[in-house]
Amino acid sequence: NAGVTQTPKFQVLKTGQSMTLQCAQDMNHEYMSWYRQDPGMGLRLIHYSVGAGITDQGEVPNGYNVSRSTTEDFPLRLLSAAPSQTSVYFCASTAGLAANEQFFGPGTRLTVL
Amino acid sequence: DQQVKQNSPSLSVQEGRISILNCDYTNSMFDYFLWYKKYPAEGPTFLISISSIKDKNEDGRFTVFLNKSAKHLSLHIVPSQPGDSAVYFCAASEMGANSKLTFGKGITLSVRP
Repeated sequence: NAGVTQTPKFQVLKTGQSMTLQCAQDMNHEYMSWYRQDPGMGLRLIHYSVGAGITDQGEVPNGYNVSRSTTEDFPLRLLSAAPSQTSVYFCASTAGLAANEQFFGPGTRLTVL
Repeated sequence: DQQVKQNSPSLSVQEGRISILNCDYTNSMFDYFLWYKKYPAEGPTFLISISSIKDKNEDGRFTVFLNKSAKHLSLHIVPSQPGDSAVYFCAASEMGANSKLTFGKGITLSVRP
């Protein structure tokens, strides 16, 4: 199993550009989440999904969109990038109600100029 | 308002000694607590967890203690090893909210040879 994979590893955008951060898991996990990590801030939840077709907002959802058309994939879209979205983004998945432990991907380091 | 607090940003211990990492929380609805370890340029990896129905959970060199009345938990690493040097995040979730982890800011542990 590859676990949770994220692409790209690094990305530089100009203000106003859009892009999609990809996340995929091969563990058949129902629950998937996106977090961002900023210096001195820990990880903050952006959006999450409890299954295909179901998504909801986390703590810092503004500026981001998500969709969940399959169990495996959970892409994160930046519609119009801003410097405040410079961060490291982590995708995570977990099996379900009996398993709170989330498995994280390696992260995407995004810089918005 | 930070619901999970790791007030000490860093800790340095000698190899072979005990490392004690502390975490406090304010949300009474939290009923599951986790510790994650993170190396630079990698995603967080799950270390150990504890349910609110327990006050201690042990896994090898790692033990987590939970004091619900004080809303405090701690991670003990005995004996500490240089490979334990990393950032440690405390996280918490409410019952059934598997995709919604609330993280502390993290503690950087340095284990001196």
